[in-house]
Amino acid sequence: EPEVTQTPSHQVTQMGQEVILRCVPISNHLYFYWYRQILGQKVEFLVSFYNNEISEKSEIFDDQFSVERPDGSNFTLKIRSTKLEDSAMYFCASSGQTLSYNEQFFGPGTRLTVL
Amino acid sequence: AQSVAQPEDQVNVAEGNPLTVKCTYSVSGNPYLFWYVQYPNRGLQFLLKYITGDNLVKGSYGFEAEFNKSQTSFHLKKPSALVSDSALYFCAVRDPGGSYIPTFGRGTSLIVHP
Repeated sequence: EPEVTQTPSHQVTQMGQEVILRCVPISNHLYFYWYRQILGQKVEFLVSFYNNEISEKSEIFDDQFSVERPDGSNFTLKIRSTKLEDSAMYFCASSGQTLSYNEQFFGPGTRLTVL
Repeated sequence: AQSVAQPEDQVNVAEGNPLTVKCTYSVSGNPYLFWYVQYPNRGLQFLLKYITGDNLVKGSYGFEAEFNKSQTSFHLKKPSALVSDSALYFCAVRDPGGSYIPTFGRGTSLIVHP
């Protein structure tokens, strides 16, 4: 069964450093998402991506964040200058063509720890 | 605006007993509703969804959920719990007339005791 993969599983970084979280969505999916989950809190939407551009983003997704699909398979989330409060679990997800009611397929997550 | 609430942080049930994980929602129109499960060190996995039609929806691993419009609820149920059902369960709602991005609840930790 196809699945979404994410690397690394755990990233530790110093405050102010840049990090790139990587995801490989399911190959025939067209919509890609990033979510985060701060420990003990709800899953929060960050951004969605379709047709090589951001289609929707939340207020969390400020200028420190960017996404990119550099090739036909990878989907990345970059945080330019990490803050302590960026520590969270980051989930990538993808969904198929009919997005209005299609379920999303999630990766296992990357745990980001900012020191 | 769309929102979803999972009023219980944790649900404890004995193996073999029925289980219920609660979810209530708020949308302006008719909702699309989803349940996901998260096992340790894994991503969220889709369990089931309600889009339209029969209010009782059956999903993976013997789970089912009932859409109740008058109570704005979509509780997850299983007739007989297994220890392996122990996981974190997330309810999500999407307003078809609004953003296509679902809103997730905080999650409910289900613990099934042997």
